[in-house]
Amino acid sequence: AQSVSQHNHHVILSEAASLELGCNYSYGGTVNLFWYVQYPGQHLQLLLKYFSGDPLVKGIKGFEAEFIKSKFSFNLRKPSVQWSDTAEYFCAVSSYNTDKLIFGTGTRLQVFP
Amino acid sequence: DGGITQSPKYLFRKEGQNVTLSCEQNLNHDAMYWYRQDPGQGLRLIYYSQIVNDFQKGDIAEGYSVSREKKESFPLTVTSAQKNPTAFYLCASSIGGGRVTYEQYFGPGTRLTVT
Repeated sequence: AQSVSQHNHHVILSEAASLELGCNYSYGGTVNLFWYVQYPGQHLQLLLKYFSGDPLVKGIKGFEAEFIKSKFSFNLRKPSVQWSDTAEYFCAVSSYNTDKLIFGTGTRLQVFP
Repeated sequence: DGGITQSPKYLFRKEGQNVTLSCEQNLNHDAMYWYRQDPGQGLRLIYYSQIVNDFQKGDIAEGYSVSREKKESFPLTVTSAQKNPTAFYLCASSIGGGRVTYEQYFGPGTRLTVT
């Protein structure tokens, strides 16, 4: 069965620090990859997605993620975080021929001014 | 203003009672989904529907039931058979189900507390 691992459960950073959140999945075939974000009190929303093409994907608010097929990874990065990035981040994966998303357990990011 | 609405935002029930959570979308999406979110466990799929009058069990369907009589509505009933119903429930929709994954759009969620 497919699974998604997010190794960092809780990350605390100061503003301007760089961010990298890990995401690994277990599935050998073609995958679609997503990062969703849940800001405090707001809906879960899409941050970025990878379907095919350039493995470096840029999303909203300066976030990017790199798909490394050989490592089964899709890590999320941001060069300089802001206080407003405080949120919970979820990695999600689907295999190419299904419409079901498998979510990771989430990473809670706290950014202090 | 398009989107997904879930009501109510907070719901309290006594143990042994069934409760129905509402989910409505005006995005004209074919596919709708119900997830349960628990701390430290991410989102787990309860039920999903790719088209009106059809739905499939997700990973944790026991103790839940759904219906899909209208394209825009996908209510979830939490039955008394659900062993641990207290959770945050999220509804989502996407353009189309089937064999391609599209972006899912999420509602604001309903926090259910059963005592």
